[in-house]
Amino acid sequence: AQKVTQAQTEISVVEKEDVTLDCVYETRDTTYYLFWYKQPPSGELVFLIRRNSFDEQNEISGRYSWNFQKSTSSFNFTITASQVVDSAVYFCALSSGSGNTGKLIFGQGTTLQVKP
Amino acid sequence: DGGITQSPKYLFRKEGQNVTLSCEQNLNHDAMYWYRQDPGQGLRLIYYSQIVNDFQKGDIAEGYSVSREKKESFPLTVTSAQKNPTAFYLCASSMARNTEAFFGQGTRLTVV
Repeated sequence: AQKVTQAQTEISVVEKEDVTLDCVYETRDTTYYLFWYKQPPSGELVFLIRRNSFDEQNEISGRYSWNFQKSTSSFNFTITASQVVDSAVYFCALSSGSGNTGKLIFGQGTTLQVKP
Repeated sequence: DGGITQSPKYLFRKEGQNVTLSCEQNLNHDAMYWYRQDPGQGLRLIYYSQIVNDFQKGDIAEGYSVSREKKESFPLTVTSAQKNPTAFYLCASSMARNTEAFFGQGTRLTVV
């Protein structure tokens, strides 16, 4: 069975603080894909990153960075020097399974509030 | 601009009514998906389609129906058999398996 767990329901930080959002996944497949999406108050999900199971390199994009560790089945997301505009719900998602159809299994989401 | 358009943004349904949510994409994507989001929960897959005239049930398909007559369109009907339809519905599309999905702005359905 595939599963994604985001244990942090809500996180509140003050602007300019660094914050890490945790994501733990479960799958028996050797080939799988991990994603992070941002959901601002408008409701639309915005794609942030995709990582396949064979690429464990960490990635940095501006203030965003991702740490993928297969040994702990984790794909954590860090925002450096947070800003008020980062306030949103963040979802981690997994795509795997034989005959992979591209459907996503989502975690429950982490609501991030960045206070000025 | 390329993207996914969902309509309406807000929809109210009376008990016993069927309602249809529209989803159109001009990204030339083969695959399309419908997800349901409940407060404080992640998204759950209702139906998906990888090619025209073909679609598959997701994890919570009961009480819903879809069609895929055109590549660009994937409407979702919420039938009276869906006992708890109040939720936020998101449509998505992707170019191929394992590529990122792009989402519409969602339809918020409320039963009155």
